[in-house]
Amino acid sequence: GQQLNQSPQSMFIQEGEDVSMNCTSSSIFNTWLWYKQDPGEGPVLLIALYKAGELTSNGRLTAQFGITRKDSFLNISASIPSDVGIYFCAGNQRMDSSYKLIFGSGTRLLVRP
Amino acid sequence: DSGVTQTPKHLITATGQRVTLRCSPRSGDLSVYWYQQSLDQGLQFLIQYYNGEERAKGNILERFSAQQFPDLHSELNLSSLELGDSALYFCASSVGLAGGNEQFFGPGTRLTVL
Repeated sequence: GQQLNQSPQSMFIQEGEDVSMNCTSSSIFNTWLWYKQDPGEGPVLLIALYKAGELTSNGRLTAQFGITRKDSFLNISASIPSDVGIYFCAGNQRMDSSYKLIFGSGTRLLVRP
Repeated sequence: DSGVTQTPKHLITATGQRVTLRCSPRSGDLSVYWYQQSLDQGLQFLIQYYNGEERAKGNILERFSAQQFPDLHSELNLSSLELGDSALYFCASSVGLAGGNEQFFGPGTRLTVL
């Protein structure tokens, strides 16, 4: 099936540092979504991107929809301990008579106080 | 709180058994999606329903089935359970079918098969 390559797999950073993670694919997506998942919880939507080249911010988070529609990145500025979790990118792609989300493998973020 | 509810939160059962997971979508959402997440894995799409009809299928085993009822809640049925079926099962909902619809996830059901 379709794959999203998400990197890095994990990051261990100092509180206050900026973080950057990205996703790439060989396929074009209509929408890119970024989710955060805490252990044992459901993913929470952080940012949704709808147009190629779009740059969107949500507080300390900034994400961009790549021009080629095959990639996206997420930046977190001035990280804090509550940023700890797993971040997933997801691309929305047409399938059958509907659409489905394809998820990256996740970036595990650890923040050292 | 995403507005999507799932029950039960935890489920422990034995191999060969059958279980039913339940999901209620956000108010106004017509689409329901089911995902499986194994330990330290990403989310695997299983199946989608829109307004009571199946619309897309992912890597769903033949032992698994789902349905969406007239009140839009959905159930995922897992039968002849195997140890490898132990996982978190998430339900998500969205307003419609369009490619731009954002999906909102429930808290999940943790299934343990012993």
